[in-house]
Amino acid sequence: NAGVMQNPRHLVRRRGQEARLRCSPMKGHSHVYWYRQLPEEGLKFMVYLQKENIIDESGMPKERFSAEFPKEGPSILRIQQVVRGDSAAYFCASSPASERPTETQYFGPGTRLLVL
Amino acid sequence: LAKTTQPISMDSYEGQEVNITCSHNNIATNDYITWYQQFPSQGPRFIIQGYKTKVTNEVASLFIPADRKSSTLSLPRVSLSDTAVYYCLVKAAGNKLTFGGGTRVLVKP
Repeated sequence: NAGVMQNPRHLVRRRGQEARLRCSPMKGHSHVYWYRQLPEEGLKFMVYLQKENIIDESGMPKERFSAEFPKEGPSILRIQQVVRGDSAAYFCASSPASERPTETQYFGPGTRLLVL
Repeated sequence: LAKTTQPISMDSYEGQEVNITCSHNNIATNDYITWYQQFPSQGPRFIIQGYKTKVTNEVASLFIPADRKSSTLSLPRVSLSDTAVYYCLVKAAGNKLTFGGGTRVLVKP
């Protein structure tokens, strides 16, 4: 059973370009979470999605950032007009459909975004 | 969401037991305590989760006193490969995980 897959693992963009980060959850998982980690800091929650639904986007910046989790295909975190401050590691996690508090989130290897 | 406080760093030696205590004074009745481990350039990895008393798995033990205002992660006989950052989280049903700064554990030979 493959784990959470993220691609690309590394992404370099120039200021003003768009960044698209993809996440394929573990098989059987329908909940996806995106987190951002700045160097030497803990992970910060960004958004929580289920298939075709955004459940909680309280951690998403108001502008330039968007996320989706379509019925088919991976979840996408999109950053438009990137700036140097967007440089960070972006982690995706997934969990099963259950809302029980004991459900564990499983993390992918992350995408490291560098904005030049 | 309950806030957690844990030591910034901790040094140990191979073969020793490492205990990391986390305080979570405003934990709610339906919150669970969860610990993750993160190696450099990798995503966090689930270690253990508990609600009260003691939980043990093949990797670690988690001790939670009756008032649940703190918890202690115990790593028995650490090796160099246990050098990582350890995060204590308090998690309620369906909620996002809130990561603090974590505890950097350095295991020395």
